[in-house]
Amino acid sequence: DAGVTQSPTHLIKTRGQQVTLRCSPKSGHDTVSWYQQALGQGPQFIFQYYEEEERQRGNFPDRFSGHQFPNYSSELNVNALLLGDSALYLCASSLRGANEKLFFGSGTQLSVL
Amino acid sequence: GIQVEQSPPDLILQEGANSTLRCNFSDSVNNLQWFHQNPWGQLINLFYIPSGTKQNGRLSATTVATERYSLLYISSSQTTDSGVYFCAVTSVSWGKLQFGAGTQVVVTP
Repeated sequence: DAGVTQSPTHLIKTRGQQVTLRCSPKSGHDTVSWYQQALGQGPQFIFQYYEEEERQRGNFPDRFSGHQFPNYSSELNVNALLLGDSALYLCASSLRGANEKLFFGSGTQLSVL
Repeated sequence: GIQVEQSPPDLILQEGANSTLRCNFSDSVNNLQWFHQNPWGQLINLFYIPSGTKQNGRLSATTVATERYSLLYISSSQTTDSGVYFCAVTSVSWGKLQFGAGTQVVVTP
């Protein structure tokens, strides 16, 4: 049973660049949520995708955007990178748009120089 | 949004000891989960427990929704229990999952 997979595991970018992170949900799950975790803090909710639409959004600027594909996989895009965007980006999957019983991937560590 | 406070922020245990972690929240919740983040960053879902008590091996959790708190018990701790424990909730009025700041647990041999 495949769990949640994320790619890449590590990424280094410079200020102003754009980045795309990818996530495949756990087998049987149809909902993907993205979180940003700064060092020493709890994960912060970015947005959730279900049925290929953004269903919920946290307090993140429009530079953060996403997409969900028909096979339920998802991408997180961040434009005009800032130093403060350096963080661990976590993807979580669940069922039917719910926030219950989330399963997380191992994350993508993004460093912005 | 809902406020989630976890205590203590840090905990050092000797192997074999028992401990209790606490999560307080500021609003009525319809979703409460406990997670363990290991030293490599992997978040593992321990419990989905919006109310009541559940047990899974050496871990158990109790949520008293009417008093707005949840407790996570670790018994006979092992070094593999080290990591950060997070409480995350969704309130009726704020439908987004909100994490606490976590409790950093270190279990020494």
